[in-house]
Formats: sequence, structure tokens, C-alpha cells
Amino acid sequence: GAVVSQHPSRVICKSGTSVKIECRSLDFQATTMFWYRQFPKQSLMLMATSNEGSKATYEQGVEKDKFLINHASLTLSTLTVTSAHPEDSSFYICSARGTETYEQYFGPGTRLTVT
Amino acid sequence: GQNIDQPTEMTATEGAIVQINCTYQTSGFNGLFWYQQHAGEAPTFLSYNVLDGLEEKGRFSSFLSRSKGYSYLLLKELQMKDSASYLCAVRDGRDSSYKLIFGSGTRLLVRP
Repeated sequence: GAVVSQHPSRVICKSGTSVKIECRSLDFQATTMFWYRQFPKQSLMLMATSNEGSKATYEQGVEKDKFLINHASLTLSTLTVTSAHPEDSSFYICSARGTETYEQYFGPGTRLTVT
Repeated sequence: GQNIDQPTEMTATEGAIVQINCTYQTSGFNGLFWYQQHAGEAPTFLSYNVLDGLEEKGRFSSFLSRSKGYSYLLLKELQMKDSASYLCAVRDGRDSSYKLIFGSGTRLLVRP
């Protein structure tokens, strides 16, 4: 089956610093990747849709200058949380959609803690 | 807007059957998914319905009625490991991204 990886799995950073999270499709090409955020005991909230070679589409209420998304290749998308604050602490999950299927495959998630 | 409703929590007994309901009011409906998520882990795919009716997959079944904007996930022969959150998600077909819109999730606790 299709495998999606995320790196790092856990990260702790200080307030005001930036953190980059990578999402890779390991055995298929992903024209579209999605980034979600999940707070404790809540569901997944879509942050943005990332298309290879073009600008990401952000959901309403998500600051595009704070959450920078780059989808430079068909197997890699990155999310950079800039000037992180404690309220950005969350579980960030990516998913990837293949070129021939509408199914999304989820990465294992990244736990971000901002101190 | 897109709206998906699920019960927040449910409790059931090991060996029993539980039904988790999901109602939705969305635009561009292009299928409904059910995912299982254990704490601290990513969601795992359980089922997919795009046409009305019942889809059965082992101990899990999912039903869809598009005219009623309603789906349910049926879990049979409950096991302790089924304690998890169950997420209903509707795929949005209004553009080429086919993004998923998730409900708030239902936390299921299976008791011995």
C-alpha cells in the first residue's frame, strides 16, 4: 500500500523560533498533499491544500505567512511554522493523494510542542 | 458551509455491537469515509461509501443515504482494541483537490 512519512515525529522548540515539518510519499507520486492540525480531543482541521509546483490553498482562518507550505516535488511537501508560539503546539498530520486515485494516505503525524 | 455531526462519546461492552451515526450538510458531496484513530496516532482508513447502501468489511460495516445526508459505522463483536476515536469525513468534489472535511469525531470506549 501507499506509504507517507513525516519528519520529525516529535519536536520541541522555543517560542519565536521556526520549525519545518517534512511530508514524503515513499512509493507513489503525490500531486496533492494536505496539511491538518489536531488539538487534543478534537478532530482534524484542514489547514491547507498543497499542489506540486504551485502555491498552496489555505483554509479560512489559517495564516499563510505563519504556516509556510512548499510542495517542490511530487514526493515532498514541507510545512514551516514561523515564529512559533505555545498556542501553535499541536499534532500536525499530512496526507497525500496519488495521481490516479482520489484516496488520501495519511502520514504518522508530528507532535509540536512550543515552550 | 460544510457541516458534519457525530456524537461526541459512546460506551459499549466487549462482544456487543455499536452503531456510530454521522449526519452531514455539505456541498459537492463526493463520497464519505470512516477512519479510526488511536490517541497520538494518524487516522487509519476503515471504509468508503459513495453510493447508497451498505458496505461490509469484516467486523465493520458502513451505510450511506445521500438523500438523507446520513451515514453510520457499525462495529460488531467489539474488542477492547476498538476503543478509539472514529472520524466521519466527507470528500468535497467542488474542485480538483478532492479534500476531506472531517466531523468532530466520536470517542468510543469499550468496557469489559
